[in-house]
Amino acid sequence: GAVVSQHPSRVICKSGTSVKIECRSLDFQATTMFWYRQFPKQSLMLMATSNEGSKATYEQGVEKDKFLINHASLTLSTLTVTSAHPEDSSFYICSALPVGHEQFFGPGTRLTVL
Amino acid sequence: SQQGEEDPQALSIQEGENATMNCSYKTSINNLQWYRQNSGRGLVHLILIRSNEREKHSGRLRVTLDTSKKSSSLLITASRAADTASYFCATGRGLQGAQKLVFGQGTRLTINP
Repeated sequence: GAVVSQHPSRVICKSGTSVKIECRSLDFQATTMFWYRQFPKQSLMLMATSNEGSKATYEQGVEKDKFLINHASLTLSTLTVTSAHPEDSSFYICSALPVGHEQFFGPGTRLTVL
Repeated sequence: SQQGEEDPQALSIQEGENATMNCSYKTSINNLQWYRQNSGRGLVHLILIRSNEREKHSGRLRVTLDTSKKSSSLLITASRAADTASYFCATGRGLQGAQKLVFGQGTRLTINP
C-alpha cells in the first residue's frame, strides 16, 4: 500500500528558532500534498495545499511567511515553521494524494516549542 | 470553512458491543470518508462513500450516508479493545485529483475489555 513518512517524528526547539518537517511519499508520486495541524484533542485543520513545482495554497488565517512550504519533487514536501513560538506547538500531519486515489497520511510530527 | 460535527464526542462501551458514531456536514460533497487515529499517531483510512451511495460495508464497518440530511454514520460491530481510537469523518469536495478534506471534530471511542 501507499506509504507516507514524516521526519522528524518529534522535535523540541527553543522559541525563535525555525523547524523543518519533511513529508515523503515512499512508493508513489504525488503532485499534491497537504499539511494539517492538530491541537490536543481537536480535529485536523488544513493549513495548506502543496503543489509540486508551484506555490502552495494556504487556507484562510494561515500565515504563508511563517509556515513555508516547498514541494521540490514529486515525492517530497517540506514545511518550515519559522521563528517558532510556544503557540505553534502542535501535531503536524501531512498527506499525499496519488492520482485517482484518496489521501494517504503520514504518521505526524509532534512539535514542542519551549 | 465547512466543519463537520460528530456525535458523540466520546463513547465508551464494552468489548463485543456495537459502536455507532454520527457525522453531520453543511455543504454539498463529492464523498465522505472515515478515518481512525490512534493516540498521537497518523490517520488510517477506513472507508470512502460517494455522494451517490447510501451504504457501504467493509469487514466489521458499516457506513451510511444520507445526503438529504447531510449526515453519515459509522457502525463498528462486535467491537474489540484494539478499536479504541478517535474516529473522524471528512468530507471531500472538488475533483478527485485535487480534493480538499474537511474533518469533523471526531469521536473518541473507548472499548472496555
